[in-house]
Amino acid sequence: DAGVIQSPRHEVTEMGQEVTLRCKPISGHNSLFWYRQTMMRGLELLIYFNNNVPIDDSGMPEDRFSAKMPNASFSTLKIQPSEPRDSAVYFCASSLGDQAYNEQFFGPGTRLTVL
Amino acid sequence: AQSVTQPDIHITVSEGASLELRCNYSYGATPYLFWYVQSPGQGLQLLLKYFSGDTLVQGIKGFEAEFKRSQSSFNLRKPSVHWSDAAEYFCAVGFSGGYNKLIFGAGTRLAVHP
Repeated sequence: DAGVIQSPRHEVTEMGQEVTLRCKPISGHNSLFWYRQTMMRGLELLIYFNNNVPIDDSGMPEDRFSAKMPNASFSTLKIQPSEPRDSAVYFCASSLGDQAYNEQFFGPGTRLTVL
Repeated sequence: AQSVTQPDIHITVSEGASLELRCNYSYGATPYLFWYVQSPGQGLQLLLKYFSGDTLVQGIKGFEAEFKRSQSSFNLRKPSVHWSDAAEYFCAVGFSGGYNKLIFGAGTRLAVHP
């Protein structure tokens, strides 16, 4: 299995531009997570999907952030408009099952820089 | 509120020395406990986990961790550190009764001197 796939690996954009981050979970996994990692705030859960349905989006910073999961093999995290404070590493993770003991498998991350 | 504390931000050890990374949690019941490792430029990889049973759990790469209920701790240990262990280590806690949300500690960055 290829593991969780994220694209792009690096993104540099200018303030005000739209940014779309992509994630392909491990085949057969039914839970998907988007995390943001920064020096100041550490690793934060942004949104969690189960069976393609958003279950908890309480970590989404503001309306500029949106996430979708149109099918079991693809998810996007969109920032529109982007701001310099959005610069971070964004991780996607997936797991099989919806319980806290289910191992989460992380992708390599997308490093976003907003100038 | 549930929380996870990793008191040490940075730790430096010599290659071959023993290692212990600390993790404390705040929760009214026994949580699910995890240790993840993040190498530079990589995602997080699970080292080991504890749900119930034997409080000493073995993981990959020669790591082990011990759950101590009385201290609300889940410290990670390795008897002899290798240079390749230099990375950032995250303790994470999950809670029963809800979905599979994890709360991560702030991480401990490990440096290994030759």
